[in-house]
Amino acid sequence: GAGVSQSPSNKVTEKGKDVELRCDPISGHTALYWYRQSLGQGLEFLIYFQGNSAPDKSGLPSDRFSAERTGGSVSTLTIQRTQQEDSAVYLCASSSTQTGTRSAFFGQGTRLTVV
Amino acid sequence: KQEVTQIPAALSVPEGENLVLNCSFTDSAIYNLQWFRQDPGKGLTSLLLIQSSQREQTSGRLNASLDKSSGRSTLYIAASQPGDSATYLCAVRKGAQKLVFGQGTRLTINP
Repeated sequence: GAGVSQSPSNKVTEKGKDVELRCDPISGHTALYWYRQSLGQGLEFLIYFQGNSAPDKSGLPSDRFSAERTGGSVSTLTIQRTQQEDSAVYLCASSSTQTGTRSAFFGQGTRLTVV
Repeated sequence: KQEVTQIPAALSVPEGENLVLNCSFTDSAIYNLQWFRQDPGKGLTSLLLIQSSQREQTSGRLNASLDKSSGRSTLYIAASQPGDSATYLCAVRKGAQKLVFGQGTRLTINP
């Protein structure tokens, strides 16, 4: 696609429910990142996928968070048993690893509200 | 562990002024540095990317410089306009690893 696409753009869920957030990276980009941004805060790294390598999960805040990337393209971030502190904007980015700039391009984010 | 700091946290200037935003990082072994813009409630828009071998990059009224040895980058905005009001973020990458972001500078250009 022309850019990184995230869905849904907004999600309101009840505390304790599971949610799935989707990211469609730019076609051909082998690197994919998930970040989250709480209100008024900076970007917090969650997880990074690079090709077929094992993902860097060092930023996942708890075992309620998981992510997968199917076929080296679409990624899904799953939050189980959501808590109010999970409320944030979840941002996905992708970049190419071809020799060149490797600029990262971000989607518009999913605003998650846990009530 | 790479840490990225942006100073100032907020900046307000009159329209038309030239201004400089600062970014510093603790580990100079970076692959590249990227500047982003974020408008309220929106995602990030890439502005400029500087490879570790480069000293600066320019796009229109924006100029980004990189001094890798001292761990510093600056984003220069010429002839600022109200539409430049946004939060500006810098991020560094080491090799094929994750981007590490600063906390951002919230810029307000007053008409």
